[in-house]
Amino acid sequence: NAGVTQTPKFQVLKTGQSMTLQCAQDMNHEYMSWYRQDPGMGLRLIHYSVGAGITDQGEVPNGYNVSRSTTEDFPLRLLSAAPSQTSVYFCASSSDRLAGANVLTFGAGSRLTVL
Amino acid sequence: AQTVTQSQPEMSVQEAETVTLSCTYDTSENNYYLFWYKQPPSRQMILVIRQEAYKQQNATENRFSVNFQKAAKSFSLKISDSQLGDTAMYFCAFMKHGTGANSKLTFGKGITLSVRP
Repeated sequence: NAGVTQTPKFQVLKTGQSMTLQCAQDMNHEYMSWYRQDPGMGLRLIHYSVGAGITDQGEVPNGYNVSRSTTEDFPLRLLSAAPSQTSVYFCASSSDRLAGANVLTFGAGSRLTVL
Repeated sequence: AQTVTQSQPEMSVQEAETVTLSCTYDTSENNYYLFWYKQPPSRQMILVIRQEAYKQQNATENRFSVNFQKAAKSFSLKISDSQLGDTAMYFCAFMKHGTGANSKLTFGKGITLSVRP
Protein backbone atom coordinates (compact mmCIF):
# COMPACT_ATOMS: atom_id res chain seq x y z
CA ASN A 1 0.00 0.00 0.00
CA ALA A 2 1.94 3.05 -1.26
CA GLY A 3 -0.35 5.79 0.13
CA VAL A 4 0.29 9.14 -1.57
CA THR A 5 3.12 9.25 -4.09
CA GLN A 6 4.59 12.53 -5.34
CA THR A 7 7.09 12.99 -8.12
CA PRO A 8 9.61 14.47 -8.56
CA LYS A 9 11.09 14.93 -5.09
CA PHE A 10 13.36 17.75 -6.27
CA GLN A 11 13.23 20.03 -9.29
CA VAL A 12 15.07 23.14 -10.43
CA LEU A 13 13.41 25.33 -13.04
CA LYS A 14 14.25 28.55 -14.82
CA THR A 15 11.82 31.46 -14.74
CA GLY A 16 9.16 30.98 -17.40
CA GLN A 17 9.50 27.23 -17.71
CA SER A 18 6.54 24.94 -17.18
CA MET A 19 6.31 21.70 -15.28
CA THR A 20 3.89 19.30 -13.65
CA LEU A 21 4.10 17.87 -10.17
CA GLN A 22 2.53 14.45 -10.14
CA CYS A 23 0.44 13.05 -7.30
CA ALA A 24 -1.16 9.62 -7.08
CA GLN A 25 -2.97 7.83 -4.27
CA ASP A 26 -4.05 4.21 -4.06
CA MET A 27 -6.43 4.43 -1.10
CA ASN A 28 -9.58 5.23 -3.10
CA HIS A 29 -9.83 8.58 -1.34
CA GLU A 30 -12.32 10.98 -2.84
CA TYR A 31 -10.60 14.15 -1.61
CA MET A 32 -7.20 15.37 -2.83
CA SER A 33 -5.39 18.64 -2.31
CA TRP A 34 -2.15 20.53 -2.90
CA TYR A 35 -0.37 22.66 -0.31
CA ARG A 36 2.78 24.74 -0.42
CA GLN A 37 5.10 25.21 2.53
CA ASP A 38 7.22 28.32 2.89
CA PRO A 39 9.49 29.23 5.83
CA GLY A 40 7.52 30.90 8.61
CA MET A 41 4.21 30.45 6.77
CA GLY A 42 3.04 26.95 7.60
CA LEU A 43 1.25 25.08 4.82
CA ARG A 44 -1.19 26.90 2.57
CA LEU A 45 -3.84 25.34 0.36
CA ILE A 46 -3.37 25.84 -3.39
CA HIS A 47 -6.13 23.76 -5.02
CA TYR A 48 -8.32 20.89 -3.95
CA SER A 49 -10.69 18.32 -5.41
CA VAL A 50 -13.71 16.61 -3.90
CA GLY A 51 -13.90 13.96 -6.60
CA ALA A 52 -13.03 13.11 -10.18
CA GLY A 53 -13.87 15.99 -12.48
CA ILE A 54 -14.31 18.51 -9.64
CA THR A 55 -11.66 21.00 -8.57
CA ASP A 56 -11.66 24.31 -6.74
CA GLN A 57 -9.26 27.02 -5.62
CA GLY A 58 -7.70 27.25 -2.24
CA GLU A 59 -5.95 30.14 -0.52
CA VAL A 60 -3.07 30.67 -2.98
CA PRO A 61 -4.17 29.40 -6.44
CA ASN A 62 -2.54 31.98 -8.72
CA GLY A 63 0.02 30.55 -11.13
CA TYR A 64 -1.17 26.95 -10.71
CA ASN A 65 -3.58 24.70 -12.57
CA VAL A 66 -5.02 21.34 -11.59
CA SER A 67 -7.24 18.68 -13.07
CA ARG A 68 -8.76 15.48 -11.68
CA SER A 69 -9.55 13.07 -14.49
CA THR A 70 -9.34 9.98 -12.26
CA THR A 71 -9.86 9.28 -8.57
CA GLU A 72 -6.21 8.31 -8.21
CA ASP A 73 -4.36 11.23 -9.84
CA PHE A 74 -4.22 14.95 -9.09
CA PRO A 75 -1.39 16.72 -10.98
CA LEU A 76 -0.36 20.30 -10.24
CA ARG A 77 0.80 22.36 -13.21
CA LEU A 78 2.98 25.45 -13.21
CA LEU A 79 2.47 27.09 -16.60
CA SER A 80 5.17 29.78 -16.32
CA ALA A 81 7.31 29.35 -13.24
CA ALA A 82 8.27 32.38 -11.16
CA PRO A 83 10.84 32.69 -8.34
CA SER A 84 7.92 33.27 -5.92
CA GLN A 85 6.89 29.67 -6.58
CA THR A 86 10.08 28.35 -5.01
CA SER A 87 8.67 26.21 -2.22
CA VAL A 88 8.03 22.72 -0.92
CA TYR A 89 4.83 21.24 -2.28
CA PHE A 90 2.71 18.62 -0.59
CA CYS A 91 -0.08 16.55 -2.03
CA ALA A 92 -2.63 15.05 0.37
CA SER A 93 -5.67 12.81 0.20
CA SER A 94 -8.49 11.94 2.57
CA SER A 95 -11.91 10.42 2.84
CA ASP A 96 -14.94 10.91 5.04
CA ARG A 97 -16.31 7.50 4.06
CA LEU A 98 -13.44 5.22 4.97
CA ALA A 99 -11.56 4.35 8.14
CA GLY A 100 -9.54 7.27 9.48
CA ALA A 101 -12.09 9.75 8.23
CA ASN A 102 -11.09 13.40 8.03
CA VAL A 103 -7.40 12.68 8.45
CA LEU A 104 -5.21 13.81 5.58
CA THR A 105 -2.50 11.49 4.34
CA PHE A 106 0.40 13.49 2.91
CA GLY A 107 2.91 12.68 0.24
CA ALA A 108 6.64 13.06 0.94
CA GLY A 109 6.82 16.52 -0.58
CA SER A 110 8.46 18.01 -3.66
CA ARG A 111 11.08 20.73 -3.33
CA LEU A 112 10.90 23.16 -6.24
CA THR A 113 13.45 25.88 -6.91
CA VAL A 114 12.81 28.52 -9.57
CA LEU A 115 15.86 30.49 -10.65
CA ALA B 1 -12.35 32.40 7.36
CA GLN B 2 -10.46 30.47 9.96
CA THR B 3 -7.11 31.40 11.44
CA VAL B 4 -4.69 29.31 13.48
CA THR B 5 -2.05 30.97 15.63
CA GLN B 6 1.08 29.39 17.02
CA SER B 7 2.85 32.23 18.77
CA GLN B 8 5.98 30.38 19.93
CA PRO B 9 8.42 29.92 17.01
CA GLU B 10 10.61 27.48 18.87
CA MET B 11 10.99 25.57 22.14
CA SER B 12 13.52 23.32 23.74
CA VAL B 13 13.05 20.55 26.30
CA GLN B 14 15.28 18.11 28.13
CA GLU B 15 14.87 14.47 27.27
CA ALA B 16 12.32 12.68 29.53
CA GLU B 17 10.68 15.96 30.55
CA THR B 18 7.25 17.29 29.61
CA VAL B 19 6.61 20.13 27.18
CA THR B 20 3.43 21.93 26.10
CA LEU B 21 2.99 23.52 22.68
CA SER B 22 0.36 26.25 22.39
CA CYS B 23 -2.20 26.85 19.67
CA THR B 24 -5.17 29.18 19.41
CA TYR B 25 -7.66 29.46 16.58
CA ASP B 26 -10.48 31.64 15.46
CA THR B 27 -13.65 30.40 13.82
CA SER B 28 -17.39 30.98 13.75
CA GLU B 29 -18.02 27.27 13.13
CA ASN B 30 -19.45 25.03 15.83
CA ASN B 31 -18.43 21.66 14.34
CA TYR B 32 -14.84 21.17 13.32
CA TYR B 33 -11.68 19.11 13.81
CA LEU B 34 -8.33 20.12 15.21
CA PHE B 35 -5.05 18.38 14.52
CA TRP B 36 -1.42 18.39 15.49
CA TYR B 37 0.99 17.29 12.77
CA LYS B 38 4.67 16.57 13.23
CA GLN B 39 7.27 17.27 10.54
CA PRO B 40 10.69 15.77 11.29
CA PRO B 41 13.79 16.66 9.22
CA SER B 42 12.68 14.03 6.68
CA ARG B 43 9.94 16.52 5.73
CA GLN B 44 7.16 13.91 6.02
CA MET B 45 3.93 15.23 7.56
CA ILE B 46 2.86 12.84 10.33
CA LEU B 47 -0.43 13.02 12.22
CA VAL B 48 0.16 13.22 15.96
CA ILE B 49 -3.36 13.62 17.32
CA ARG B 50 -6.87 14.63 16.30
CA GLN B 51 -9.68 16.24 18.29
CA GLU B 52 -13.32 16.50 17.27
CA ALA B 53 -14.87 19.72 18.55
CA TYR B 54 -18.13 18.09 19.65
CA LYS B 55 -16.25 15.76 21.99
CA GLN B 56 -15.56 17.28 25.40
CA GLN B 57 -13.01 14.63 26.30
CA ASN B 58 -9.45 15.54 25.43
CA ALA B 59 -7.76 13.24 22.90
CA THR B 60 -4.79 11.14 23.98
CA GLU B 61 -2.31 9.08 21.97
CA ASN B 62 0.32 7.40 24.12
CA ARG B 63 2.70 10.19 25.29
CA PHE B 64 0.74 12.88 23.46
CA SER B 65 -2.34 14.57 24.83
CA VAL B 66 -4.24 17.75 24.17
CA ASN B 67 -5.93 20.38 26.28
CA PHE B 68 -8.92 21.43 24.21
CA GLN B 69 -10.72 24.51 25.48
CA LYS B 70 -13.54 25.17 23.02
CA ALA B 71 -14.82 28.38 24.56
CA ALA B 72 -11.32 29.84 24.70
CA LYS B 73 -10.51 28.45 21.23
CA SER B 74 -7.34 26.93 22.55
CA PHE B 75 -5.77 23.60 21.57
CA SER B 76 -2.43 22.85 23.23
CA LEU B 77 -0.34 19.71 22.81
CA LYS B 78 1.42 18.10 25.76
CA ILE B 79 4.30 15.75 25.11
CA SER B 80 5.23 13.63 28.12
CA ASP B 81 8.55 11.81 28.59
CA SER B 82 10.09 13.66 25.64
CA GLN B 83 12.32 11.59 23.38
CA LEU B 84 15.05 12.61 20.96
CA GLY B 85 12.82 11.42 18.12
CA ASP B 86 10.27 14.08 19.06
CA THR B 87 12.60 16.74 17.65
CA ALA B 88 10.61 18.19 14.77
CA MET B 89 8.42 21.05 13.64
CA TYR B 90 4.87 20.80 14.96
CA PHE B 91 1.87 22.27 13.19
CA CYS B 92 -1.57 22.93 14.63
CA ALA B 93 -4.32 22.70 12.02
CA PHE B 94 -8.08 23.29 11.71
CA MET B 95 -10.67 21.62 9.49
CA LYS B 96 -14.31 22.56 9.15
CA HIS B 97 -16.84 19.78 9.38
CA GLY B 98 -18.92 18.99 6.33
CA THR B 99 -18.83 17.54 2.84
CA GLY B 100 -16.13 19.11 0.75
CA ALA B 101 -14.40 20.59 3.75
CA ASN B 102 -12.36 17.45 4.12
CA SER B 103 -9.61 18.60 1.76
CA LYS B 104 -9.05 21.90 3.45
CA LEU B 105 -6.76 22.29 6.41
CA THR B 106 -5.82 25.68 7.80
CA PHE B 107 -2.37 25.49 9.37
CA GLY B 108 -0.56 27.54 11.94
CA LYS B 109 2.98 28.68 11.18
CA GLY B 110 4.50 25.86 13.19
CA ILE B 111 6.83 25.56 16.14
CA THR B 112 10.28 24.00 16.10
CA LEU B 113 10.77 21.67 19.06
CA SER B 114 14.25 20.53 20.03
CA VAL B 115 14.73 17.72 22.54
CA ARG B 116 18.10 17.92 24.30
CA PRO B 117 19.90 14.74 25.39
